Amino acid sequence: DSGVTQTPKHLITATGQRVTLRCSPRSGDLSVYWYQQSLDQGLQFLIQYYNGEERAKGNILERFSAQQFPDLHSELNLSSLELGDSALYFCASSADFRGLNTDTQYFGPGTRLTVL
Amino acid sequence: AQSVTQPDIHITVSEGASLELRCNYSYGATPYLFWYVQSPGQGLQLLLKYFSGDTLVQGIKGFEAEFKRSQSSFNLRKPSVHWSDAAEYFCAVGADDYKLSFGAGTTVTVRA
Repeated sequence: DSGVTQTPKHLITATGQRVTLRCSPRSGDLSVYWYQQSLDQGLQFLIQYYNGEERAKGNILERFSAQQFPDLHSELNLSSLELGDSALYFCASSADFRGLNTDTQYFGPGTRLTVL
Repeated sequence: AQSVTQPDIHITVSEGASLELRCNYSYGATPYLFWYVQSPGQGLQLLLKYFSGDTLVQGIKGFEAEFKRSQSSFNLRKPSVHWSDAAEYFCAVGADDYKLSFGAGTTVTVRA
């Protein structure tokens, strides 16, 4: 158990809908990362938040957005869903107390999203 | 930008035999290197990491990896594989742009 929790574990929805994935980082970790794992794209970095602020963006679609709240949990919002958005979405957290990206990222169990 | 190549998509090994998984990275500076394992239906678990110092890194579950700068490699090894090592293994490189770049993964099958 990494200490990172993600809810829900599974999500089935229809095209055009909007969903919210939730992540609670390890206690005290300041950084939260979101990744997408799909069969065709592999593991792709989406976005990072550090202590409430967006720090880095990767291959995140404009239909997707995220935020990190004062209690450091994070939500990933996916809207206007398409069939191709079906994937496993991972959240990871790291301490990053010094503000550097040298701390290990610990991954949650993921949320499996199925878009029908 | 950094990138990672895992040349082997699938490896089959007998239980008790040794295992080596290859990882090559591309990055201009000193990279941060990781190996993660993903069991079916599970998240990613960190096996080991290299930031600096000794180039031979010991990890959990009896795994080790060696950083070779001249070859841009960070290969993962285990002397004797157990059936529970059947999983998908990912090599990743971290850089100063705050993200991990993952390889495509190597699936390990262990036969009795």
